[in-house]
Amino acid sequence: GAGVSQSPSNKVTEKGKDVELRCDPISGHTALYWYRQSLGQGLEFLIYFQGNSAPDKSGLPSDRFSAERTGGSVSTLTIQRTQQEDSAVYLCASSPQTTQYNEQFFGPGTRLTVL
Amino acid sequence: GQQLNQSPQSMFIQEGEDVSMNCTSSSIFNTWLWYKQDPGEGPVLLIALYKAGELTSNGRLTAQFGITRKDSFLNISASIPSDVGIYFCAGTYLTGNQFYFGTGTSLTVIP
Repeated sequence: GAGVSQSPSNKVTEKGKDVELRCDPISGHTALYWYRQSLGQGLEFLIYFQGNSAPDKSGLPSDRFSAERTGGSVSTLTIQRTQQEDSAVYLCASSPQTTQYNEQFFGPGTRLTVL
Repeated sequence: GQQLNQSPQSMFIQEGEDVSMNCTSSSIFNTWLWYKQDPGEGPVLLIALYKAGELTSNGRLTAQFGITRKDSFLNISASIPSDVGIYFCAGTYLTGNQFYFGTGTSLTVIP
């Protein structure tokens, strides 16, 4: 498909385990964003990649969270030593980020449950 | 991170009624976006605004970029049951910067 895809769609893990969440952005989009959405809440910015520039990590809540983007395309968000408060939906978005078009397009999200 | 002030927080309306919601920021933006999120799905872009004063329509939806550049409005005319969901505004200062999201407006349409 042509949209943003994320995997897995659901992840249940035990407290203390590490998890990896994957995002495949729309082909050709230079910008990629990760957000966290807790139940009934708005979107919390986590990290932003733009081309080859250093990522904006200002939203990462702790050093247990990290993300990388390989080859300017696929991104992986890693949460180490998961805690119950990490339970949320993790959303990825990509953007063409041209001067004219600045829209973000979202994937369906990964629902993470930490037991 | 920064969040925009979005109101109302929730709305319960009768089918066929018009809906209005708004979003305000303490800083000026040069792009405003409006999204709709259905349960279990990611947000879907409804309307994008790039110019102060701009009024843009998408079917029964109309959004405006406030002339102060610090606010935006979304109107839905003649609501129908499938309009149910959570509506988010988002804004950014410059291309290449992160977006800031509103806290969402939950819309319930009563048939």
